[in-house]
Amino acid sequence: AQSVTQLGSHVSVSEGALVLLRCNYSSSVPPYLFWYVQYPNQGLQLLLKYTTGATLVKGINGFEAEFKKSETSFHLTKPSAHMSDAAEYFCAVTLLGDNNDMRFGAGTRLTVKP
Amino acid sequence: DAGVTQSPTHLIKTRGQQVTLRCSPKSGHDTVSWYQQALGQGPQFIFQYYEEEERQRGNFPDRFSGHQFPNYSSELNVNALLLGDSALYLCASSPNLSGSKETQYFGPGTRLLVL
Repeated sequence: AQSVTQLGSHVSVSEGALVLLRCNYSSSVPPYLFWYVQYPNQGLQLLLKYTTGATLVKGINGFEAEFKKSETSFHLTKPSAHMSDAAEYFCAVTLLGDNNDMRFGAGTRLTVKP
Repeated sequence: DAGVTQSPTHLIKTRGQQVTLRCSPKSGHDTVSWYQQALGQGPQFIFQYYEEEERQRGNFPDRFSGHQFPNYSSELNVNALLLGDSALYLCASSPNLSGSKETQYFGPGTRLLVL
């Protein structure tokens, strides 16, 4: 079965610094990969997704992620953190085909310091 | 477009009771999935409904059941509530166009507290 591991339950950066949130996946077939953000007391909002094609995926709010098959990774980055980026971030995976079982990582809480 | 809506927003129940949570999908979406998000954890897949039938199910006991109506809205029912059922319950909808690569849109969730 597919799974994702998010390295680091908490990440703290200064405003304007690079944001790097790590995600590694495990699957026996080509995966579809997603990053979602969750603000306090809200549902999940899609930041970006990788299905096929270009391995560098650009999303909303200046975030991007690169699918690296050789490293089984899908790390999320943003060149310059903003205070409004403080939230919980979840990496998720589904599989090619009819498997609609989306598996989420445990999440990474991003704190942005002024 | 109202997006995915869920009701109620908060709910308090006692052990052994039963609860029903409701979800209306985003306009144009015919597939509804339910997730349980315990405090400090990622969402866990409960089940998915399409064409009024349960299409796929995660590792949850039979106490968790659901229904989808002809208008694509859905209910999640949990019987014999346990303290461990306390969580945020998220509903997500998607179009059934390309299967698992379709983006799931999430509602704000229902926070259930079991005392």
